[in-house]
Formats: sequence, structure tokens, C-alpha cells
Amino acid sequence: DQQVKQNSPSLSVQEGRISILNCDYTNSMFDYFLWYKKYPAEGPTFLISISSIKDKNEDGRFTVFLNKSAKHLSLHIVPSQPGDSAVYFCAASGSGAGSYQLTFGKGTKLSVIP
Amino acid sequence: KAGVTQTPRYLIKTRGQQVTLSCSPISGHRSVSWYQQTPGQGLQFLFEYFSETQRNKGNFPGRFSGRQFSNSRSEMNVSTLELGDSALYLCASSLNAETNYGYTFGSGTRLTVV
Repeated sequence: DQQVKQNSPSLSVQEGRISILNCDYTNSMFDYFLWYKKYPAEGPTFLISISSIKDKNEDGRFTVFLNKSAKHLSLHIVPSQPGDSAVYFCAASGSGAGSYQLTFGKGTKLSVIP
Repeated sequence: KAGVTQTPRYLIKTRGQQVTLSCSPISGHRSVSWYQQTPGQGLQFLFEYFSETQRNKGNFPGRFSGRQFSNSRSEMNVSTLELGDSALYLCASSLNAETNYGYTFGSGTRLTVV
């Protein structure tokens, strides 16, 4: 079963507009969530994270929102730039001993059109 | 500082053979994790090592194994290769697998089994 789901395999957005990438999870033991960005032929790069005790975290153009009751998080990129075109992975982890792993979604390919 | 280095970058093997992949973490990082990325399954956790000890293991068959050396460098081995083992294998390092800091990933080893 897929514990972290990114239901949109791809997303196209005009440059300057907002990009919204969504992620749903099923495991209520997850308490830390991360977004990674991946370019072809490179490893994923950490983008932004959020703890379950928060509902929003901002870092420049990137904002992550967490809705614990709905088990849903989203990544907002404003304004979108062509260099943001990449595959974005949502990931989740628990805490404490034995939680030394990330559970990833299958990714959403974002294309920002100039 | 140098990032996570994975060697080789590309590898072609024949079904039934075995393969060893190498990962050198960022200097000072003691935790090394391995992930498999395939188009159908996304990124899946293989195992995590800290101070030469495997602390966590994903849901992969025993043909997949790993180890970590005293200098924190890690290797993973896949025996009796199957066509389905074709994937991008990613290594990530962190100080102590504290996922709130995020892992730093290498660029991966692209394994093709023919």
C-alpha cells in the first residue's frame, strides 16, 4: 500500500503564476514532512520541511501547508520560474528509534512555461 | 565541502550476476541510507547504516545487502540480479538520520540489468 501519494504525475504552470503541488498520506504516525526537488541525472535536493506541530512553513518563494486532520500537505511556489521545472517528491517520516527512513510519494513533474 | 559521492555512475550487468555500489558520505556524516528509484514505484527505502550498524531495513529481498565501514563509507550489494533490479540507486547521508535536517543525496548509480 502506498502511504504517501502524489496523485498528479505532472503539472504545467505559466511563469510568474503559482504552482501548487499536493500530497496525501495515510499513516497517522508520520510527524515530519519534506519536499525534495529532483533534476534529471541528479539526486533529490532537500527543499523545505514541516513538522506536524505546525500548519505552515515558508522559505522564500516556497511555502508548505499541512492539514493534519485531512492528512494532506501542499507545496506552493510563488512566483514560479522556469528553473523550477523538475520532479518534486513529497516525503514523510516518523520519529524515534526505528524511524530512520523516508517514505516518498512517486513524484510530480512540474513544467514552468516561459 | 564535497557532497555525497556515488560510484560508478552507470553500470550494465547481466541477469544472474552480482553488483556492488559504493557511497562516500559528506565528511562528518555518520548515517548512510540507500534508496531505489524506479519509474513505477518511485523512491523506496532499502536500508540505513550508522556507525557500521544497520538500524533499519526496507521491504526488499535478501539479495539486497549493504555494509558500512569505519570511515562511514558504505557499499550495497545485489546478488543474482534480475531484470526488475534495473533502477537508479541513491545514497543519502546525514549526521544522524535526523530527518528534520533532511538528507543529502548523491547523484545515484544507474544500474541496467540485461
